[in-house]
Amino acid sequence: QQPVQSPQAVILREGEDAVINCSSSKALYSVHWYRQKHGEAPVFLMILLKGGEQKGHEKISASFNEKKQQSSLYLTASQLSYSGTYFCGTVTGGGNKLTFGTGTQLKVEL
Amino acid sequence: DVKVTQSSRYLVKRTGEKVFLECVQDMDHENMFWYRQDPGLGLRLIYFSYDVKMKEKGDIPEGYSVSREKKERFSLILESASTNQTSMYLCASGRSYGYTFGSGTRLTVV
Repeated sequence: QQPVQSPQAVILREGEDAVINCSSSKALYSVHWYRQKHGEAPVFLMILLKGGEQKGHEKISASFNEKKQQSSLYLTASQLSYSGTYFCGTVTGGGNKLTFGTGTQLKVEL
Repeated sequence: DVKVTQSSRYLVKRTGEKVFLECVQDMDHENMFWYRQDPGLGLRLIYFSYDVKMKEKGDIPEGYSVSREKKERFSLILESASTNQTSMYLCASGRSYGYTFGSGTRLTVV
């Protein structure tokens, strides 16, 4: 079952912040975040393992709330290069089967 | 750097044909995936393989089968192609802490 992402789309001005949410109906073992630019393959950003950790990658960070079965991706001081579609992927239960959400289209404008 | 190679970037096939999509990775990864990407539906998992000859169905396996005879190669087979299988197909490979995608095969069934 696909995780649910929100919002579906967001437009930012350069320098603004954004939050993308990902929630699952099943208990999560791990959450992956990927970014896909137009016409390109998705690229891995980070993984969060159960334990409620928070991770950072330049000005992009993420949190994982195991109890609420949710993860959030935080983009601060957005840059034009952040534009793209962001996907969360979830692993539920044992194994490594990775299921993605429907994506969040992010556009950063001047 | 990990290389995940999909044999064709664009493919046009006729309804009813048997279609083979190939994916090859060069890093001895256990896990390999096939997804299809359609506008508004995100990345949907078709099949997943966690070792040679081992596979698991994803969310939309109907009309597809897979083969993994060697660790580096994961093939997606459309037994009898139909127009509703026109889509972008993406292969991914890696270990549990992050995956690399191939550049995709855009399949059109006419």
